[in-house]
Amino acid sequence: EVQLVESGGGLVKPGGSLRLSCAASGFTFSSYSMNWVRQAPGKGLEWVSSISSSSSYIYYADSVKGRFTISRDNAKNSLYLQMNSLRAEDTAVYYCARGFQRWKFGMDVWGQGTTVTVSS
Amino acid sequence: DIQMTQSPSSLSASVGDRVTITCRASQGISNYLAWYQQKPGKVPKLLIYAASTLQSGVPSRFSGSGSGTDFTLTISSLQPEDVATYYCQKYNSAPPTFGQGTRLEIK
Repeated sequence: EVQLVESGGGLVKPGGSLRLSCAASGFTFSSYSMNWVRQAPGKGLEWVSSISSSSSYIYYADSVKGRFTISRDNAKNSLYLQMNSLRAEDTAVYYCARGFQRWKFGMDVWGQGTTVTVSS
Repeated sequence: DIQMTQSPSSLSASVGDRVTITCRASQGISNYLAWYQQKPGKVPKLLIYAASTLQSGVPSRFSGSGSGTDFTLTISSLQPEDVATYYCQKYNSAPPTFGQGTRLEIK
């Protein structure tokens, strides 16, 4: 079964840091681009970041550029999101999602999400 | 950046109704348009990609059409389990913007 499982969310103070992880199983992780998408409480979906299968290409939303870093470890079938200088507006459920087409940004498999709350 | 605008923002329809949701891109995106369904409290699910290709396992009452800047998602006969928020997304290039969502309810 194709599966993505996020972890690492929690409560953090403004200015703090968190590292999210996404463990992949049931497919050849190294062949797929991966994405992070977030959803603030009661709001819509917001793309955060994408990384190509070999980490050669990385993209960020303007709202997180310079503060968040996406990475992956294909040997461990894992995707990461290092989040620094967190702000209240970063509060959201963070989903990892698999890209379904090379060099494009559509997403066909989603994890269950991990919740990040930024509050003092 | 290309903006994606959905209409309506919310919609109430009766079981068995034909329902149409539209999505407009601020610039042409060819057919690089996906539709996602998010049921209350659940994870988003890919319904349609390439504007009109049904993802495996999605009921045939769902269909998509369009190219360039104007796209539609149609549910031919609304079922109670279709209550959800629907999002379009352009996915040809970064940033892969989502529409603001359309909340669909049963009347």
